[in-house]
Amino acid sequence: DIVMTQTPLSSPVTLGQPASISCRSSQSLVHSDGNTYLSWLQQRPGQPPRLLIYKISNRFSGVPDRFSGSGAGTDFTLKISRVEAEDVGVFYCMQATQSYTFGQGTKLEIK
Amino acid sequence: EVQLVESGGGLVQPGGSLRLSCAASGFTFSSYGMHWVRQAPGKGLVWVSRINSDGSRTSYADSVKGRFTISRDNAKNTLYLQMNSLRAEDTAVYYCARDVFGAFHIWGQGTMVTVSS
Repeated sequence: DIVMTQTPLSSPVTLGQPASISCRSSQSLVHSDGNTYLSWLQQRPGQPPRLLIYKISNRFSGVPDRFSGSGAGTDFTLKISRVEAEDVGVFYCMQATQSYTFGQGTKLEIK
Repeated sequence: EVQLVESGGGLVQPGGSLRLSCAASGFTFSSYGMHWVRQAPGKGLVWVSRINSDGSRTSYADSVKGRFTISRDNAKNTLYLQMNSLRAEDTAVYYCARDVFGAFHIWGQGTMVTVSS
């Protein structure tokens, strides 16, 4: 099974400042079809998860452009250019290259 | 509006059974693979099961294999999860989600399943 490891697990951030979350997979996420099925989700308190980014760097419909994804192979990053109050919650990376696995989650909180 | 609405959760004794439903609306349900994902209280997300668009292929997490069965009725725009031999560790909020490009694009609000005597 592919293990997804996120760092940090908790990230206190000042409003208006950038934030970055790392996600590392235990093996390459490049699928035999050439795609890399790595996505990022946000779960606000008391809400279901919502998709932010799919296939490493594609923003889902309605997601603000302050969210961006990057990476390749086994190392991936979610960046928020300027944190807003509504960004508070837990962020998960997820791989769908070989079955499906989520990272442990990174809690974003405001300082 | 694209929407998924889960139902069927509740309190069940260990060893019991429960069937969850996920009603889809606002999109062509029969065109999409669907998943069940669960989240134990205060914990992270765990993938449970997947079914392809026409229901011919399914897959399961090892933790539920042989106990849970995913199915769908495309005429009724509904996804199901039949859960048998339930254990305390199956206690969680169960979400259904729509699959596009290997990502879970749309999620329901979830239904709580509690396994306890």
